[in-house]
Amino acid sequence: QKEVEQDPGPLSVPEGAIVSLNCTYSNSAFQYFMWYRQYSRKGPELLMYTYSSGNKEDGRFTAQVDKSSKYISLFIRDSQPSDSATYLCAMSAPGYSSASKIIFGSGTRLSIRP
Amino acid sequence: DAGVIQSPRHEVTEMGQEVTLRCKPISGHNSLFWYRQTMMRGLELLIYFNNNVPIDDSGMPEDRFSAKMPNASFSTLKIQPSEPRDSAVYFCASSPAGGPSNTQYFGPGTRLTVL
Repeated sequence: QKEVEQDPGPLSVPEGAIVSLNCTYSNSAFQYFMWYRQYSRKGPELLMYTYSSGNKEDGRFTAQVDKSSKYISLFIRDSQPSDSATYLCAMSAPGYSSASKIIFGSGTRLSIRP
Repeated sequence: DAGVIQSPRHEVTEMGQEVTLRCKPISGHNSLFWYRQTMMRGLELLIYFNNNVPIDDSGMPEDRFSAKMPNASFSTLKIQPSEPRDSAVYFCASSPAGGPSNTQYFGPGTRLTVL
């Protein structure tokens, strides 16, 4: 079983729709939860970051973490064609040094239809 | 800021040849990560360095792969000899000091094709 599971999609929705992207994980030591966005032929870029459980909102994006269920979500409101990309969930456990390993999901390909 | 710089951006080589990928992290960042991305396996961490010291190389697939970080501003990933199954996009990422490395900044990647 992979440490992080993510539906690869592809997911296609019309412009303006609410998008829900999800990941599950198995390692209860994970404390930091992230969503990265990757445009075609580019490197991933950090979109949102949450520590432990709860919600975090940034503009049209909301990240949710439910540690009891080992489940994280990213919601995109009023989706735009420019949101079309691959979204990777990622998570890490506290490390003993300033560097710690991040485990990435396989990514969900999202397409917003105009 | 220039961001993380990788070279070359594209590399096409023949099986058995040596390949060297290069990375310049963001100035002031003290952690550096090498990843490989394929459709089948997604984004895999190969190795990471903290203050130029390799911390975890458990993701390096086999002895054909080696990575060095001789100073804070330069790292290489070498594959010798290369094989067709090494074809992938290789990303370098760096992270600032002073906390968990969740904020990783990725370079544009090197697209490697081994014929």
